[in-house]
Amino acid sequence: SQKIEQNSEALNIQEGKTATLTCNYTNYSPAYLQWYRQDPGRGPVFLLLIRENEKEKRKERLKVTFDTTLKQSLFHITASQPADSATYLCAHPRAAGNKLTFGGGTRVLVKP
Amino acid sequence: NAGVMQNPRHLVRRRGQEARLRCSPMKGHSHVYWYRQLPEEGLKFMVYLQKENIIDESGMPKERFSAEFPKEGPSILRIQQVVRGDSAAYFCASSPEEDGELFFGEGSRLTVL
Repeated sequence: SQKIEQNSEALNIQEGKTATLTCNYTNYSPAYLQWYRQDPGRGPVFLLLIRENEKEKRKERLKVTFDTTLKQSLFHITASQPADSATYLCAHPRAAGNKLTFGGGTRVLVKP
Repeated sequence: NAGVMQNPRHLVRRRGQEARLRCSPMKGHSHVYWYRQLPEEGLKFMVYLQKENIIDESGMPKERFSAEFPKEGPSILRIQQVVRGDSAAYFCASSPEEDGELFFGEGSRLTVL
């Protein structure tokens, strides 16, 4: 069965540093990966989508990479700010119809 | 353009009662998804619907749970004879097409006493 794994340990990082989150998947080669941000008590919010033929995607201070050989995506938050503190979710489609499978999420805490 | 609207935001039920959760997708979106999130856990896919059709319900328990997305009105997730294990946050998401990003509501938090 498909699995998508994220580091379950919280990531504590100093303001201004770069946070790097890992998303690994097995048994399936998705056409794309998506990253979402979820704040406590709120619904997830879409951040970035990266396709299998794209090695890297950027949006403001966010950068995502997609390595289909390693079956891994890395999510970077550069020049991190306390407002970046949240849980970040990685997801990929299981099959046609965009039924996304989500990883367990990684909580990021940026300390001032 | 309002986002995905879910109600109620919080619902308390006693064991054996019924819970009805409603979701109005974003305007122009015909694809609706329901996910369940237990405390400190990830989102688990439950069901995918298009107008008047259930496309995939492989993540939904066979008993007590049902979903619909009628031609008019919101999508409904119905849980009959609730048990304590049903306590969770239920998120609805919509998308304008079969592929791409999902737009999530703020969730409905069900507590079963």
